[in-house]
Amino acid sequence: GIQVEQSPPDLILQEGANSTLRCNFSDSVNNLQWFHQNPWGQLINLFYIPSGTKQNGRLSATTVATERYSLLYISSSQTTDSGVYFCAVRTSGTYKYIFGTGTRLKVLA
Amino acid sequence: DSGVTQTPKHLITATGQRVTLRCSPRSGDLSVYWYQQSLDQGLQFLIQYYNGEERAKGNILERFSAQQFPDLHSELNLSSLELGDSALYFCASSRAGGPADGYTFGSGTRLTVV
Repeated sequence: GIQVEQSPPDLILQEGANSTLRCNFSDSVNNLQWFHQNPWGQLINLFYIPSGTKQNGRLSATTVATERYSLLYISSSQTTDSGVYFCAVRTSGTYKYIFGTGTRLKVLA
Repeated sequence: DSGVTQTPKHLITATGQRVTLRCSPRSGDLSVYWYQQSLDQGLQFLIQYYNGEERAKGNILERFSAQQFPDLHSELNLSSLELGDSALYFCASSRAGGPADGYTFGSGTRLTVV
């Protein structure tokens, strides 16, 4: 089946710094989402982005489907950005999402 | 509030017991997905229902079963519980359940088997 790899696995930032999280996938996908799991365990949908670029405040995401990767940019990070960021993909003909192993982000005040 | 409601939030039970987890999807969503998140396995897809019918099955054990009712809420039944079943169980919903749909997750049920 499809493999989803995220990097880096762990990231520590000072408040105000910028960061880029990467998601690589091993096969063509027709659906990709980025989620943030906050320290209380809640999974929050950030972006639905099978291709192209989207922005939402300090966050933006880009998916280059032909090259099988997606990037999540966090600018001017805040302590509330801490948590785990997951990339999840879906391939043609399937209904389930396959999740990557996540990037654990800690933002220090 | 995501609009997807899961109950209970926490559950502690003994090995060998049976529990039922409940999920109410967002208003208007027809599809419900169940996921298990454990420390060593990450987020694993269990099962999907669409408008009352099972649509896709993932890594769901035979001891586990699920159903979606006419009012579209779903229940996940876990029986003969083992220590290894301790995990966060998430429900997600989407409008139709097709490949182009995005998910919205509930806040999860934390199951601890002792």
